[in-house]
Amino acid sequence: EVQLVESGGGLVQPGGSLRLSCAASGFTFSSFWMTWVRQAPGKGLEWVANINLDGSEKNYVDSVKGRFTISRDNDKNSLYLQMNSLRAEDTAVYYCARGQTRPALWGRGTLVTVSS
Amino acid sequence: QSALTQPGSVSGSPGQSITISCTGTSSDVGAYNFVSWYQQHPGKAPKVMIYDVTNRPSGVSNRFSGSKSGNTASLTISGLQAEDEADYYCSSYSSSSTLRFGGGTKLTVL
Repeated sequence: EVQLVESGGGLVQPGGSLRLSCAASGFTFSSFWMTWVRQAPGKGLEWVANINLDGSEKNYVDSVKGRFTISRDNDKNSLYLQMNSLRAEDTAVYYCARGQTRPALWGRGTLVTVSS
Repeated sequence: QSALTQPGSVSGSPGQSITISCTGTSSDVGAYNFVSWYQQHPGKAPKVMIYDVTNRPSGVSNRFSGSKSGNTASLTISGLQAEDEADYYCSSYSSSSTLRFGGGTKLTVL
Protein backbone atom coordinates (compact mmCIF):
# COMPACT_ATOMS: atom_id res chain seq x y z
CA GLU A 1 0.00 0.00 0.00
CA VAL A 2 1.24 3.45 -0.91
CA GLN A 3 1.37 5.47 2.30
CA LEU A 4 3.17 7.90 4.55
CA VAL A 5 3.11 7.52 8.33
CA GLU A 6 4.33 10.30 10.62
CA SER A 7 5.52 9.81 14.18
CA GLY A 8 7.41 11.63 16.90
CA GLY A 9 4.93 14.28 17.90
CA GLY A 10 4.08 15.11 21.48
CA LEU A 11 4.17 17.72 24.21
CA VAL A 12 7.34 19.75 24.56
CA GLN A 13 8.24 22.85 26.55
CA PRO A 14 9.09 26.14 24.86
CA GLY A 15 12.73 26.12 23.84
CA GLY A 16 12.77 22.33 23.60
CA SER A 17 13.44 20.02 20.69
CA LEU A 18 11.60 17.27 18.87
CA ARG A 19 12.36 15.06 15.90
CA LEU A 20 9.56 14.01 13.61
CA SER A 21 9.80 11.00 11.33
CA CYS A 22 7.84 9.99 8.27
CA ALA A 23 7.98 6.40 7.03
CA ALA A 24 7.22 5.89 3.36
CA SER A 25 6.06 2.65 1.79
CA GLY A 26 4.64 1.35 -1.46
CA PHE A 27 6.61 3.63 -3.78
CA THR A 28 10.18 4.50 -4.73
CA PHE A 29 10.93 7.04 -2.02
CA SER A 30 14.21 8.18 -3.54
CA SER A 31 12.42 9.35 -6.70
CA PHE A 32 10.38 12.08 -5.03
CA TRP A 33 10.89 15.46 -3.44
CA MET A 34 9.34 15.42 0.02
CA THR A 35 7.58 18.17 1.94
CA TRP A 36 6.49 19.01 5.48
CA VAL A 37 3.26 20.97 5.95
CA ARG A 38 1.75 22.02 9.26
CA GLN A 39 -1.66 23.10 10.46
CA ALA A 40 -2.14 24.97 13.71
CA PRO A 41 -5.35 24.17 15.61
CA GLY A 42 -8.30 25.68 13.78
CA LYS A 43 -6.03 27.31 11.21
CA GLY A 44 -5.03 26.75 7.61
CA LEU A 45 -2.24 24.81 5.98
CA GLU A 46 1.29 26.19 6.08
CA TRP A 47 4.17 24.88 4.01
CA VAL A 48 7.19 24.30 6.27
CA ALA A 49 10.02 22.78 4.25
CA ASN A 50 10.95 20.56 1.36
CA ILE A 51 13.94 18.47 0.30
CA ASN A 52 15.10 17.20 -3.05
CA LEU A 53 15.80 13.62 -4.10
CA ASP A 54 19.26 13.22 -2.59
CA GLY A 55 18.96 15.76 0.21
CA SER A 56 21.31 18.28 -1.36
CA GLU A 57 18.65 21.02 -1.63
CA LYS A 58 16.50 22.10 1.27
CA ASN A 59 14.06 24.99 1.51
CA TYR A 60 12.28 26.45 4.55
CA VAL A 61 9.56 28.92 5.42
CA ASP A 62 11.11 32.02 6.99
CA SER A 63 9.59 31.40 10.42
CA VAL A 64 11.52 28.15 10.94
CA LYS A 65 14.83 28.97 9.26
CA GLY A 66 17.72 28.32 11.63
CA ARG A 67 15.52 26.28 13.99
CA PHE A 68 14.21 23.37 11.88
CA THR A 69 16.19 20.96 9.72
CA ILE A 70 14.67 18.66 7.12
CA SER A 71 16.55 15.51 6.14
CA ARG A 72 15.97 12.13 4.56
CA ASP A 73 17.41 8.62 4.53
CA ASN A 74 16.64 6.97 1.22
CA ASP A 75 17.96 3.61 2.44
CA LYS A 76 15.38 3.67 5.21
CA ASN A 77 12.61 5.27 3.12
CA SER A 78 12.28 7.93 5.77
CA LEU A 79 11.89 11.69 6.03
CA TYR A 80 12.73 13.68 9.14
CA LEU A 81 12.15 17.10 10.66
CA GLN A 82 14.44 18.13 13.49
CA MET A 83 12.78 20.96 15.39
CA ASN A 84 14.82 23.02 17.86
CA SER A 85 14.08 26.13 19.91
CA LEU A 86 10.39 25.36 19.71
CA ARG A 87 7.86 28.13 20.31
CA ALA A 88 4.19 28.12 21.20
CA GLU A 89 3.38 29.17 17.65
CA ASP A 90 4.90 25.93 16.35
CA THR A 91 2.00 24.01 17.88
CA ALA A 92 0.34 22.20 14.99
CA VAL A 93 -0.38 18.94 13.27
CA TYR A 94 2.63 18.21 11.07
CA TYR A 95 2.03 16.36 7.81
CA CYS A 96 4.60 14.86 5.52
CA ALA A 97 3.68 14.84 1.85
CA ARG A 98 5.13 13.47 -1.34
CA GLY A 99 6.06 15.95 -4.02
CA GLN A 100 7.37 19.47 -4.47
CA THR A 101 5.08 21.39 -6.78
CA ARG A 102 1.85 19.51 -6.02
CA PRO A 103 2.05 17.25 -2.95
CA ALA A 104 -0.49 14.54 -3.73
CA LEU A 105 0.14 11.87 -1.10
CA TRP A 106 -0.18 12.92 2.54
CA GLY A 107 0.22 11.17 5.83
CA ARG A 108 -2.34 11.45 8.63
CA GLY A 109 -0.15 13.85 10.57
CA THR A 110 1.40 13.99 14.02
CA LEU A 111 0.49 16.57 16.65
CA VAL A 112 3.17 18.76 18.18
CA THR A 113 2.17 20.81 21.22
CA VAL A 114 4.57 23.41 22.60
CA SER A 115 3.49 24.43 26.05
CA SER A 116 4.80 24.77 29.59
CA GLN B 1 5.69 34.47 2.43
CA SER B 2 2.07 35.50 2.95
CA ALA B 3 -0.77 33.19 2.06
CA LEU B 4 -2.63 33.16 -1.22
CA THR B 5 -5.99 34.92 -0.92
CA GLN B 6 -9.17 32.85 -0.74
CA PRO B 7 -12.67 33.82 0.42
CA GLY B 8 -13.28 32.71 3.97
CA SER B 9 -16.52 30.96 3.17
CA VAL B 10 -18.88 30.05 0.36
CA SER B 11 -22.18 28.26 0.35
CA GLY B 12 -24.59 26.67 -2.06
CA SER B 13 -27.60 24.41 -2.21
CA PRO B 14 -27.48 20.81 -3.38
CA GLY B 15 -27.31 20.64 -7.15
CA GLN B 16 -25.95 24.16 -7.53
CA SER B 17 -22.46 25.17 -8.62
CA ILE B 18 -19.97 27.22 -6.64
CA THR B 19 -16.60 28.71 -7.46
CA ILE B 20 -13.74 29.40 -5.06
CA SER B 21 -11.06 31.87 -6.10
CA CYS B 22 -7.39 31.86 -5.17
CA THR B 23 -5.40 35.03 -5.83
CA GLY B 24 -1.64 35.16 -5.81
CA THR B 25 1.03 37.13 -7.58
CA SER B 26 3.17 37.04 -10.69
CA SER B 27 5.75 35.08 -8.67
CA ASP B 28 3.49 32.13 -7.92
CA VAL B 29 0.00 31.60 -9.41
CA GLY B 30 0.76 33.82 -12.39
CA ALA B 31 4.18 32.32 -13.03
CA TYR B 32 3.58 28.59 -12.87
CA ASN B 33 0.91 26.10 -13.85
CA PHE B 34 1.42 24.34 -10.53
CA VAL B 35 -1.80 25.24 -8.76
CA SER B 36 -3.46 22.51 -6.71
CA TRP B 37 -6.70 22.34 -4.76
CA TYR B 38 -7.18 20.30 -1.59
CA GLN B 39 -10.30 19.18 0.23
CA GLN B 40 -10.10 18.68 3.97
CA HIS B 41 -12.81 17.22 6.14
CA PRO B 42 -12.60 17.80 9.91
CA GLY B 43 -9.88 15.75 11.55
CA LYS B 44 -8.67 14.36 8.23
CA ALA B 45 -5.62 14.91 6.08
CA PRO B 46 -5.99 17.07 2.98
CA LYS B 47 -6.90 15.30 -0.24
CA VAL B 48 -5.85 16.65 -3.62
CA MET B 49 -8.80 17.33 -5.89
CA ILE B 50 -7.09 19.26 -8.70
CA TYR B 51 -3.42 19.53 -9.63
CA ASP B 52 -1.51 21.52 -12.24
CA VAL B 53 -4.45 23.95 -12.54
CA THR B 54 -6.88 21.70 -14.39
CA ASN B 55 -6.02 18.03 -13.81
CA ARG B 56 -8.09 15.65 -11.71
CA PRO B 57 -6.48 12.66 -9.99
CA SER B 58 -8.11 9.33 -10.72
CA GLY B 59 -11.05 8.75 -8.43
CA VAL B 60 -11.98 12.42 -8.08
CA SER B 61 -15.43 13.29 -9.38
CA ASN B 62 -15.64 15.22 -12.65
CA ARG B 63 -17.88 17.66 -10.77
CA PHE B 64 -14.61 19.28 -9.67
CA SER B 65 -12.80 21.47 -12.17
CA GLY B 66 -10.03 24.05 -12.08
CA SER B 67 -8.94 27.02 -14.13
CA LYS B 68 -6.57 29.97 -14.03
CA SER B 69 -6.46 33.48 -15.40
CA GLY B 70 -3.48 35.68 -14.69
CA ASN B 71 -2.72 35.64 -10.97
CA THR B 72 -6.03 34.06 -9.98
CA ALA B 73 -6.95 30.39 -9.99
CA SER B 74 -10.42 29.00 -9.45
CA LEU B 75 -12.05 25.79 -8.31
CA THR B 76 -15.57 25.05 -9.48
CA ILE B 77 -17.75 22.38 -7.95
CA SER B 78 -20.88 21.58 -9.93
CA GLY B 79 -23.89 19.58 -8.78
CA LEU B 80 -23.14 20.26 -5.12
CA GLN B 81 -23.59 17.33 -2.79
CA ALA B 82 -23.72 17.18 0.99
CA GLU B 83 -20.41 15.30 1.06
CA ASP B 84 -18.69 18.27 -0.59
CA GLU B 85 -19.03 20.27 2.62
CA ALA B 86 -15.43 20.74 3.77
CA ASP B 87 -12.55 23.18 3.85
CA TYR B 88 -10.79 23.83 0.55
CA TYR B 89 -7.23 25.07 0.13
CA CYS B 90 -5.36 26.15 -2.94
CA SER B 91 -1.61 25.90 -3.28
CA SER B 92 0.87 27.21 -5.79
CA TYR B 93 4.51 26.55 -6.45
CA SER B 94 6.46 29.74 -5.97
CA SER B 95 9.89 31.10 -6.71
CA SER B 96 12.76 29.79 -4.58
CA SER B 97 11.37 26.25 -4.74
CA THR B 98 8.74 26.95 -2.10
CA LEU B 99 5.02 26.26 -1.93
CA ARG B 100 2.34 28.69 -0.85
CA PHE B 101 -1.10 27.79 0.44
CA GLY B 102 -4.26 29.82 0.49
CA GLY B 103 -5.90 30.67 3.78
CA GLY B 104 -8.70 28.17 3.15
CA THR B 105 -12.38 28.40 2.27
CA LYS B 106 -15.14 26.76 4.26
CA LEU B 107 -17.80 25.35 1.94
CA THR B 108 -21.25 24.96 3.41
CA VAL B 109 -23.89 22.95 1.57
CA LEU B 110 -27.21 24.43 2.62
